[in-house]
Amino acid sequence: ETGVTQSPTHLIKTRGQQVTLRCSSQSGHNTVSWYQQALGQGPQFIFQYYREEENGRGNFPPRFSGLQFPNYSSELNVNALELDDSALYLCASSLATRPASYNEQFFGPGTRLTVL
Amino acid sequence: GQNIDQPTEMTATEGAIVQINCTYQTSGFNGLFWYQQHAGEAPTFLSYNVLDGLEEKGRFSSFLSRSKGYSYLLLKELQMKDSASYLCAVRDNNDYKLSFGAGTTVTVRA
Repeated sequence: ETGVTQSPTHLIKTRGQQVTLRCSSQSGHNTVSWYQQALGQGPQFIFQYYREEENGRGNFPPRFSGLQFPNYSSELNVNALELDDSALYLCASSLATRPASYNEQFFGPGTRLTVL
Repeated sequence: GQNIDQPTEMTATEGAIVQINCTYQTSGFNGLFWYQQHAGEAPTFLSYNVLDGLEEKGRFSSFLSRSKGYSYLLLKELQMKDSASYLCAVRDNNDYKLSFGAGTTVTVRA
């Protein structure tokens, strides 16, 4: 069974640029959640996708957007990067039989984004 | 909104017991999770409580009191590899997101 993978591992961007982060879900999982983790803080929920549709969103501006593909892999896009966007971005996959059901989330190793 | 509090740091000796407390005030509740996160790595699932009481899993136990908005994670027979950050997370009624505390960094000393 393949676990959750993310790419790239590290990324350096400058203010105003755009970035795309990628996540491959664990085999058999249909739900992916994205989190932002600043240094020394807990992960903050960005949004979740279930069967290619957004299933909930945290307190992040619209310049944070996402996609989920038919194979359940996912992308997180961030436009107009700001210095405060520097963080570890984690994706977590789970298996849900409907949007609202128990599901343990398995996290990927994360992408470390640095905005200069 | 969600407010989840846990201590910032704890230090304990190898072989000892450490208890990490977590208090929460949330607009909804549908389960509390504990995760372990080593530096530079992904969080890994440790335990899940949705009903009051104690859940035991090997050296790790987790307790929940919903009326008090309180949970703790108990780590027994501490090993050096237990040095990590421990994250308390609450799932709300919508089931789609976890709200995390800032994490407790546990340092195990020989």
